[in-house]
Amino acid sequence: EDKVVQSPLSLVVHEGDTVTLNCSYEVTNFRSLLWYKQEKKAPTFLFMLTSSGIEKKSGRLSSILDKKELFSILNITATQTGDSAVYLCAATPRDNYGQNFVFGPGTRLSVLP
Amino acid sequence: SQTIHQWPATLVQPVGSPLSLECTVEGTSNPNLYWYRQAAGRGLQLLFYSVGIGQISSEVPQNLSASRPQDRQFILSSKKLLLSDSGFYLCAWRGRLGYEQYFGPGTRLTVT
Repeated sequence: EDKVVQSPLSLVVHEGDTVTLNCSYEVTNFRSLLWYKQEKKAPTFLFMLTSSGIEKKSGRLSSILDKKELFSILNITATQTGDSAVYLCAATPRDNYGQNFVFGPGTRLSVLP
Repeated sequence: SQTIHQWPATLVQPVGSPLSLECTVEGTSNPNLYWYRQAAGRGLQLLFYSVGIGQISSEVPQNLSASRPQDRQFILSSKKLLLSDSGFYLCAWRGRLGYEQYFGPGTRLTVT
């Protein structure tokens, strides 16, 4: 059965800290791994990773995929209170319709001032 | 640019009552559309997806149903709600060329 595991499930840090969120996956015929940030409502798309070893970066956020070891990390440097959210990881196989997105349970990040 | 709308934003319904949640997408044609449910503290569970008008695939057997009467409209329904139907319902779309799914603002449903 396809599954995605995230760790830690919950994390509390102070502003300015650097955090690393982990996502491991087991998905048949894997194609891509996606990261989302969910604050109070809808998840917002952060990154999609398809190739191993290529870092994607957006401001203080960066992510990388290791297809050999079947995991991805999301790094946030110099955290701010606005980074507080649940970070979701999803793996998707090669398919036509995207119906097989498998989401992890999320990591709840709390950044204290 | 594309936008996705959902309504209502919150809903409190008694057990046994019917349900209708609506999702519409603007700025794209022929999207793939999805309904997810997120229970408190848990991941997203795919309920239905649709690749076109009138085409619905169900991922989880339950007392919910979905319909797609127009290209950019996706409706989630129930004839009789159960307590276990409480949760956060998210609609998402995906374009034909991309793999990312984009989510609507969600509807928080509480069944009492």
